[in-house]
Amino acid sequence: DAGVTQSPTHLIKTRGQQVTLRCSPKSGHDTVSWYQQALGQGPQFIFQYYEEEERQRGNFPDRFSGHQFPNYSSELNVNALLLGDSALYLCASSLPGGGETQYFGPGTRLLVL
Amino acid sequence: AQSVTQLGSHVSVSEGALVLLRCNYSSSVPPYLFWYVQYPNQGLQLLLKYTSAATLVKGINGFEAEFKKSETSFHLTKPSAHMSDAAEYFCAVRGGGSEKLVFGKGMKLTVNP
Repeated sequence: DAGVTQSPTHLIKTRGQQVTLRCSPKSGHDTVSWYQQALGQGPQFIFQYYEEEERQRGNFPDRFSGHQFPNYSSELNVNALLLGDSALYLCASSLPGGGETQYFGPGTRLLVL
Repeated sequence: AQSVTQLGSHVSVSEGALVLLRCNYSSSVPPYLFWYVQYPNQGLQLLLKYTSAATLVKGINGFEAEFKKSETSFHLTKPSAHMSDAAEYFCAVRGGGSEKLVFGKGMKLTVNP
């Protein structure tokens, strides 16, 4: 059973550019959440998608946007990259519900120069 | 709003010694609580979760945690540390109809031979 997969694994961009990160959820999961983990910090919630709609959003600017496809895979887009966007971006999949476990992928490490 | 406090950032134990990682939470509603482990350059792996079924929760790799409502705590323990336990550990809370996990800052565990 394939777990959560993310691509690419690493990415280097320059300030002002745009980036798209991709996530495929664990088989049977229909909910995808995205988190940003800065160096030395715990992950911070960006947003969650369910039934192709953004269900909840964390405290991130509009430069961060996302999409969920009918097959439940998801994309995270970041526009006008800033140096501070350098981080590990984690995708997690789950079934809907507060007690459900979120299963994390290996992450995409983004470096903005 | 939910929050989690993990005091300190680093703990060091000898192989075979007790592991105790502290987590205190704040939540206005009954919470769901989670412990995740992150090995270097990897995503997060669930160790265990509390969803109100039992206050003492057993997880993988010999870890367990006890939910104490009176102390708003969910400390992680393992009777005997192994070298392979060296990693970063994150406590997280979710609840009140919110879909997001709120993480602590993490605790890096070093195991000395």
